[in-house]
Amino acid sequence: RKEVEQDPGPFNVPEGATVAFNCTYSNSASQSFFWYRQDCRKEPKLLMSVYSSGNEDGRFTAQLNRASQYISLLIRDSKLSDSATYLCVVSPDNYGQNFVFGPGTRLSVLP
Amino acid sequence: GAVVSQHPSWVICKSGTSVKIECRSLDFQATTMFWYRQFPKQSLMLMATSNEGSKATYEQGVEKDKFLINHASLTLSTLTVTSAHPEDSSFYICSGQDLANYGYTFGSGTRLTVV
Repeated sequence: RKEVEQDPGPFNVPEGATVAFNCTYSNSASQSFFWYRQDCRKEPKLLMSVYSSGNEDGRFTAQLNRASQYISLLIRDSKLSDSATYLCVVSPDNYGQNFVFGPGTRLSVLP
Repeated sequence: GAVVSQHPSWVICKSGTSVKIECRSLDFQATTMFWYRQFPKQSLMLMATSNEGSKATYEQGVEKDKFLINHASLTLSTLTVTSAHPEDSSFYICSGQDLANYGYTFGSGTRLTVV
């Protein structure tokens, strides 16, 4: 079983739609969780950290379920510019060392 | 914010030649630099971790004699792909960590094509 698993998609959604991605991780000792966004042929960029209590940043909401070992990302009111690959990232420590990247979920927002 | 400048952005080289990729942290000290490789439609895979002034730690399956990493200063780390072969064609990306805040900053990546 891979350490971090994601549905690769692609998810094709119309503008304005709400879309959610899940990510599961196998290491129960994982401490830090993140969502990164990667545009085609570009470097990953931090979208948001994921906290135990869940957190929201504008149209983006991230949640963590430690018991089930999954992380979710919800995007509301999708924009064309949200089209990208969303990477789930897990680390076993609080210092951000030893990042393990998921394979990413590709999102295409259509006009 | 923190910036890591990575060069070149892309390079095409002949099989058997060596290619050097540079990553510079512009406004912070990258005590640790991580080097990743990403094949098409796959996730980033950590190749090695380098700490300034010491030898890099390579992940299992990554040949240290083929992928030479130098991290001689707190602002510069290099990855040299020696005797490149077509199967080394990939997207290579570095990430510097600033221990002051444990933030990760990625370089913009280098797309290597070996022909």
